Amino acid sequence: ETGVTQSPTHLIKTRGQQVTLRCSSQSGHNTVSWYQQALGQGPQFIFQYYREEENGRGNFPPRFSGLQFPNYSSELNVNALELDDSALYLCASSLVHGNYGYTFGSGTRLTVV
Amino acid sequence: QQQVKQSPQSLIVQKGGISIINCAYENTAFDYFPWYQQFPGKGPALLIAIRPDVSEKKEGRFTISFNKSAKQFSLHIMDSQPGDSATYFCAASMEASGSRLTFGEGTQLTVNP
Repeated sequence: ETGVTQSPTHLIKTRGQQVTLRCSSQSGHNTVSWYQQALGQGPQFIFQYYREEENGRGNFPPRFSGLQFPNYSSELNVNALELDDSALYLCASSLVHGNYGYTFGSGTRLTVV
Repeated sequence: QQQVKQSPQSLIVQKGGISIINCAYENTAFDYFPWYQQFPGKGPALLIAIRPDVSEKKEGRFTISFNKSAKQFSLHIMDSQPGDSATYFCAASMEASGSRLTFGEGTQLTVNP
């Protein structure tokens, strides 16, 4: 059984650019959530996807968007990158929507310069 | 909006000692309170969790104490070991919000040999 896999592990982008982060959920997990973790802070909920539709969103602007694919993998897209977007982006999957058994990936470290 | 407050920010304990981390929450609708452990370069991993219908839960050396009236919960690590050195996050969630996790700010625990 594989866990949650995220790619890339590290990424450096320039302010104003766009970025796409990818997540392969744990086998059989159909719900995916994305979190942003700034250095020295707790993770902040960005949004959640269930059955390929956004199902809940945190306090993030529309330039943060996502997708979930039929195989339950997911993408996080961020447009018009700002310096404050520099953070660890975590993907978490769970077996059943509304279930609390989240498994987190190791994250993508995004640096915006 | 800080809904889960965690203290202390950092904690140093001697091997064999007891580590205690505290959290307080505001939203009485929260119905699930997990603790996560995070090592450098890794995503958070679920350590132990409690629901508000019990006042204490113990798993091995880890115990959660829960005080519903005070809206507080704490993690106790008995017989702390150097391998326990990590960042610990409390969190809270409610089924009505799709189980999104609201995290505390984290506690960096160092266990000296």
